[in-house]
Amino acid sequence: EVQLVQSGAEVKKSGESLRISCKGSGHSFSIYRISWVRQMPGKGLEWMGRIDPSDSYTNYSPSFQGHVTISADKSLSTVYLQWSSLKASDTAIYYCARPTWDSFADSFDIWGQGTMVTVSS
Amino acid sequence: QSALTQPASVSGSPGQSITISCTGTNSDVGGYDYVSWYQQHPGEAPKLMIFDVSVRPSGVSTRFSGSKSGDTASLTISGLQAEDEADYYCSSFTSSNTPVVFGGGTKLTVL
Repeated sequence: EVQLVQSGAEVKKSGESLRISCKGSGHSFSIYRISWVRQMPGKGLEWMGRIDPSDSYTNYSPSFQGHVTISADKSLSTVYLQWSSLKASDTAIYYCARPTWDSFADSFDIWGQGTMVTVSS
Repeated sequence: QSALTQPASVSGSPGQSITISCTGTNSDVGGYDYVSWYQQHPGEAPKLMIFDVSVRPSGVSTRFSGSKSGDTASLTISGLQAEDEADYYCSSFTSSNTPVVFGGGTKLTVL
């Protein structure tokens, strides 16, 4: 079964660092770009950025550029989302997502279960 | 990058049809046939329902259909069922510096 399995919920304080993960299985991990999507409490979906695990090339939304870092370890079939200094406004559910092979565009047919990140001030 | 515009809420009775709109610009919805629709139930991850404007992934009910006219895409759900009650999001490829933009989401209530 193709799936993305994310790391567990995190509770942190403002200013702390954090790295969450997304592990793929059941498919050729390196051939799919993996995106991260934020969902703040009670709010909609926001595309944050993506990585090509084959060469670690990244694209970021301007809204998130400079505040998060996306990386990958293809030997572990794992993609990471990392913060060096969390803010209370980073409190959200973070999803990793894989696009369908059937479209040129990023239409996400495989999603991780989500990682809830709670940041207290 | 501004989000695509969706109505905040729509509602319908079981058996009826409803349509959710998603309005963008010619830099995203209007310029490319790469609109997707997602269904999200509370506490769950989104589920892809439509991609490339009107293509249903395997396993998605034929009650769900997509279309586009100009800068506005639409998701139509026919024969509404209680389990269709969820949040729905559109997304589109965009020629801006982000390859993906989402709509603000629409809450569907089945009366």
